[in-house]
Amino acid sequence: DAGVIQSPRHEVTEMGQEVTLRCKPISGHDYLFWYRQTMMRGLELLIYFNNNVPIDDSGMPEDRFSAKMPNASFSTLKIQPSEPRDSAVYFCASSSRRYDEQFFGPGTRLTVL
Amino acid sequence: AQRVTQPEKLLSVFKGAPVELKCNYSYSGSPELFWYVQYSRQRLQLLLRHISRESIKGFTADLNKGETSFHLKKPFAQEEDSAMYYCALTDRGSTLGRLYFGRGTQLTVWP
Repeated sequence: DAGVIQSPRHEVTEMGQEVTLRCKPISGHDYLFWYRQTMMRGLELLIYFNNNVPIDDSGMPEDRFSAKMPNASFSTLKIQPSEPRDSAVYFCASSSRRYDEQFFGPGTRLTVL
Repeated sequence: AQRVTQPEKLLSVFKGAPVELKCNYSYSGSPELFWYVQYSRQRLQLLLRHISRESIKGFTADLNKGETSFHLKKPFAQEEDSAMYYCALTDRGSTLGRLYFGRGTQLTVWP
């Protein structure tokens, strides 16, 4: 099993552009989480899904951020329009049960110029 | 509200010295505590959880409900322990399944 897969691994874009990050969770995991990691704020939960349904999106910074999970094997996090302050590492994680260990992807390093 | 505090952003020790990474939490409920670790160029991964009461890579952590702490300890640090460590909390009494992370402590073990 390749574990949680994220793409792209690195993204450099200009301010105002749309950015789409992708995640494939571990097969059979019902929970999917999106996190953002910065030096200043550490690891922040943005949103998470259970059985493809968003459960808690209180961490989504603003309307520029949106996330979808159209099926059990794919999720996207979209930023439109992107801003320099969105520069961070974005992680996707999945777990099989509600309070179980979360398995993290390698992350996407986003740089917005 | 749930809150996890890691008071030290950076911690440096020499190889062979004891190390303690502090974690305090404020929560009323049924907390379960975890330590996650991120080695350089590797994925964030679970190191240990308090309900397991086990030692992983020489690290132990005891949940102290009186002091609301879950400090991570190792008697003799090794260079390969250098990493970012996150303390995290979840609530088994909640219908939600989310983790609350502290801001992390970057541990450096010098040779």
